[in-house]
Amino acid sequence: DAGVIQSPRHEVTEMGQEVTLRCKPISGHDYLFWYRQTMMRGLELLIYFNNNVPIDDSGMPEDRFSAKMPNASFSTLKIQPSEPRDSAVYFCASSIGANVLTFGAGSRLTVL
Amino acid sequence: GQQVMQIPQYQHVQEGEDFTTYCNSSTTLSNIQWYKQRPGGHPVFLIQLVKSGEVKKQKRLTFQFGEAKKNSSLHITATQTTDVGTYFCAGHESNQFYFGTGTSLTVIP
Repeated sequence: DAGVIQSPRHEVTEMGQEVTLRCKPISGHDYLFWYRQTMMRGLELLIYFNNNVPIDDSGMPEDRFSAKMPNASFSTLKIQPSEPRDSAVYFCASSIGANVLTFGAGSRLTVL
Repeated sequence: GQQVMQIPQYQHVQEGEDFTTYCNSSTTLSNIQWYKQRPGGHPVFLIQLVKSGEVKKQKRLTFQFGEAKKNSSLHITATQTTDVGTYFCAGHESNQFYFGTGTSLTVIP
């Protein structure tokens, strides 16, 4: 298995632009999590899905953030409009039964 | 809400010295997991502890889960340069993972 695949690996954009991060979970995993990692705040859970349904989005910082999972093999995290404080590494992770997390390589976002 | 704290935040050791990181939860946990993140990498699962007082070993790494299931520790014996990275504990409760603040380990050759 190729593991959890995230794209892009690096994104540099200007404030106000829309950013879309993508994730392909491991086949057969029924849970998908989006995390954000910064030096100041560590690993923060943004949202998680079970069988493509969003279960808890209380970690989404504000309305500029949205996440979808249209099918079992694809999820997106969108930021519109982006701000410099959104600069971070965004990780997607998947698991079977919300047990052991397998993380993707992450998407490093820089908003200028 | 759920909080998981780790200490120390940073640790520098000479190669060959031992290292310990401690994790404390504000509430009782169903289980606790440990992850390692190499510099520039992503968190990778190391182990899961479920039972009160459980102790597990992986070569030079020893993991403990407290009797009250609110604290845990990771001890590395005779550190090597390959042990460099940040070690996170993650409390597992209600299908969510509450990650600790992490301990960044630097090993000086």
